[in-house]
Amino acid sequence: DAGVTQSPTHLIKTRGQQVTLRCSPKSGHDTVSWYQQALGQGPQFIFQYYEEEERQRGNFPDRFSGHQFPNYSSELNVNALLLGDSALYLCASSLVGQQNTGELFFGEGSRLTVL
Amino acid sequence: GESVGLHLPTLSVQEGDNSIINCAYSNSASDYFIWYKQESGKGPQFIIDIRSNMDKRQGQRVTVLLNKTVKHLSLQIAATQPGDSAVYFCAENVEGNNRLAFGKGNQVVVIP
Repeated sequence: DAGVTQSPTHLIKTRGQQVTLRCSPKSGHDTVSWYQQALGQGPQFIFQYYEEEERQRGNFPDRFSGHQFPNYSSELNVNALLLGDSALYLCASSLVGQQNTGELFFGEGSRLTVL
Repeated sequence: GESVGLHLPTLSVQEGDNSIINCAYSNSASDYFIWYKQESGKGPQFIIDIRSNMDKRQGQRVTVLLNKTVKHLSLQIAATQPGDSAVYFCAENVEGNNRLAFGKGNQVVVIP
């Protein structure tokens, strides 16, 4: 049973470019959340997708957008990259209706470096 | 792998001793709390959780204490082992539905 998988694991971009990160949730999960973790900080909630729609959003600009596919996998897109977007981007999957149960699993993350 | 623990409060503990990690949370309406362990280059890993109607919960070698009066959580690790070396985060469930707000993290270094 595969856990949460993310790709790519590492990537380097330059300022102004665009990036797409991908996530496959744990088998049986239907909800995907994305977090940004800057070096030395705790993860910050970006947004959450369920039934192919954005359901909750944190304090991130519109440059951050996402998508969820019918198979529950998800993409995170960041446009017009800034140096400050350099971070570890984490995907977490869960099952709707299973909040507050510990049934939230994180992937290993995609490390984005913006030069 | 790269470190996630730069500039974090660090607890150095002798192997076999007990560790206590503290966390202050911000939202008095939060009703669910989780402790995560994050090893270098990896994603957060669930350790233990507690609901706001409890003040203590025990797992295997770990205990979480919740003091709602002062909005404080602690994680106790018994008989700390080298594999416990990691950064530990507390998280609170904001507005339900698994939208988590994480604390700043504490690095634990186990000395063999």
